[in-house]
Amino acid sequence: DTGVSQDPRHKITKRGQNVTFRCDPISEHNRLYWYRQTLGQGPEFLTYFQNEAQLEKSRLLSDRFSAERPKGSFSTLEIQRTEQGDSAMYLCASSRAAGTLQETQYFGPGTRLLVL
Amino acid sequence: EDQVTQSPEALRLQEGESSSLNCSYTVSGLRGLFWYRQDPGKGPEFLFTLYSAGEEKEKERLKATLTKKESFLHITAPKPEDSATYLCAVQGNGNNRLAFGKGNQVVVIP
Repeated sequence: DTGVSQDPRHKITKRGQNVTFRCDPISEHNRLYWYRQTLGQGPEFLTYFQNEAQLEKSRLLSDRFSAERPKGSFSTLEIQRTEQGDSAMYLCASSRAAGTLQETQYFGPGTRLLVL
Repeated sequence: EDQVTQSPEALRLQEGESSSLNCSYTVSGLRGLFWYRQDPGKGPEFLFTLYSAGEEKEKERLKATLTKKESFLHITAPKPEDSATYLCAVQGNGNNRLAFGKGNQVVVIP
């Protein structure tokens, strides 16, 4: 059983460049979440998908951020015109849920972004 | 807005010295309270889910308990490999997102 995978694991970019991260959830998990974590803080919710539909976005998610989940499988998170404040660990999680049943989110290893 | 406060922020324990971590929360109806373990540079690793007050769950040297306002993670006779940051998160009614605390950083000294 493979867990959640994320690619790349590390990314260094210059301010103003665009970056894209990929997340592959656990197979058969219908929900996929993106979180951001900075040093000394807990993860903060960014957005989530149920199948291919993006159902919720945090107000933290500025218009420079966009996420997709085509065909309800893998997801991508793109950051345009990166800023130094975007430096963080970007975490992906997935879960299998139906209706209001209890669910557990399983996290991937994260992508660490450094914006110079 | 769902909120989680964890204490203490950092804890140093001698090997074998049992202790407890606290997670206080406010949520508009609790769907679930979650404990994760996070090692440096890695993603959170799921430990426990608690759904209702009075519930307890155990795994090796860890035991999680839940009341209507807080949860405790008890570490019994810790070993150096228990050194990690322990994250508490809540999921409220009507929410699918998790709201996390800042974590309890635990160091177990041999």
